[in-house]
Amino acid sequence: EIVMTQSPATLSVSPGERVTLSCRASQTINSNLAWYQQKPGQAPRLLIYAASTRATGIPGRFSGSGTGTQFTLTITGLQSEDGAVYYCQQYNNWPPLTFGGGTKVEI
Amino acid sequence: EVQLVASGGVAIQPGGSVRLSCATSGFSFADFAMHWVRQIAGRAPEWLCLISRDGTVTSYLNSVKGRFTISRDNSRGVLFLQMNSLKFEDSALYYCAKDRTPAAGRHTFDSWGQGTQVTVSS
Repeated sequence: EIVMTQSPATLSVSPGERVTLSCRASQTINSNLAWYQQKPGQAPRLLIYAASTRATGIPGRFSGSGTGTQFTLTITGLQSEDGAVYYCQQYNNWPPLTFGGGTKVEI
Repeated sequence: EVQLVASGGVAIQPGGSVRLSCATSGFSFADFAMHWVRQIAGRAPEWLCLISRDGTVTSYLNSVKGRFTISRDNSRGVLFLQMNSLKFEDSALYYCAKDRTPAAGRHTFDSWGQGTQVTVSS
């Protein structure tokens, strides 16, 4: 099973800042990584797939990068509505499909 | 608009059985693999199982294999999860989720249901 590790666990930031979230895979997953945003009381929302491709309707301030075992989600020009928990998910080796533990972004 | 509506969640005793349903609309159901994902409050989502577009291929998380069965009715656009021999640790919010692409093996989830709560308690 591929273990996904996210850091930091929590991030406190101000509107307008640039935020970088990290995700590390226990073995190479090529570019088969997705990022999700989850707000309280809501289902996760797909932000990024294939490590760097924004999903339909996702604003340009969200960007993803990385390959192999190290990945990054960057939010440029943070807005108040971006406060949420962010999860990475690998789909290179399955079953199982696995998620990271999440990073909470507090604004 | 893509919609997934999960139902069937209950409070149930250990050892019991539950069948969850996920009614879908707004997309060609038979063209996409489907998944069940669960989440305990305050924790990361946990993928449980998937079913191929035609229902002939399924895959499960080891901890639910042999107890949970995923199925689908393409004629009605409905996804199911039969859960047997339930344990305390199965208590969670259960989501149905749709694959983003018909491409085989590229399993990311672009649409999710609202979740249905299963609580296993004596």
